[in-house]
Amino acid sequence: DSGVTQTPKHLITATGQRVTLRCSPRSGDLSVYWYQQSLDQGLQFLIQYYNGEERAKGNILERFSAQQFPDLHSELNLSSLELGDSALYFCASSVEQGRTDTQYFGPGTRLTVL
Amino acid sequence: AQSVTQLDSQVPVFEEAPVELRCNYSSSVSVYLFWYVQYPNQGLQLLLKYLSGSTLVKGINGFEAEFNKSQTSFHLRKPSVHISDTAEYFCAVSPALGGGFKTIFGAGTRLFVKA
Repeated sequence: DSGVTQTPKHLITATGQRVTLRCSPRSGDLSVYWYQQSLDQGLQFLIQYYNGEERAKGNILERFSAQQFPDLHSELNLSSLELGDSALYFCASSVEQGRTDTQYFGPGTRLTVL
Repeated sequence: AQSVTQLDSQVPVFEEAPVELRCNYSSSVSVYLFWYVQYPNQGLQLLLKYLSGSTLVKGINGFEAEFNKSQTSFHLRKPSVHISDTAEYFCAVSPALGGGFKTIFGAGTRLFVKA
């Protein structure tokens, strides 16, 4: 158990819908990262937040957005969903915001878009 | 820009045999290198990382990796595998310079340990 929690574990929805994925980082960790893992594109970094502020953006679509709240939990919002958005979405956390920090990954949310 | 190539998509091996999972990277700047493991239905877990210094890095669960700058490789090894090592392994690279978080992951190598 990494200490990072993600809800829900599974989500099934239809094209065009909007969903919110939630992540609670390990106690004391200030950085949260979101990743997408799909068969087509592998594991891709989406976005990073540090202490409530966006720090880095990866291959995140404009239909996706995220935020980190004062209690440090984070939400990833996916809108106008397409079939290709079906994937496993991971959240990770680390103490600081650097590239050398060890990231601790949550168990993921499996999103299925029908 | 950086890229990572994991040369084998699947590696079957018998229990107690040695294993090497290969990773090559491409980068015009110095890099940090990582190996992660993903067990079925779980998130990724860091096995080891190379930041600087000794090119031989020891990680958890008896794994080690060697950074070879001239060959731009960071192969993962274990002298004797167990059934419980069956998992997917990801090599990742991050530039040591410049701003922003920019870790790139390889496509993964599925290690299958047979009894």
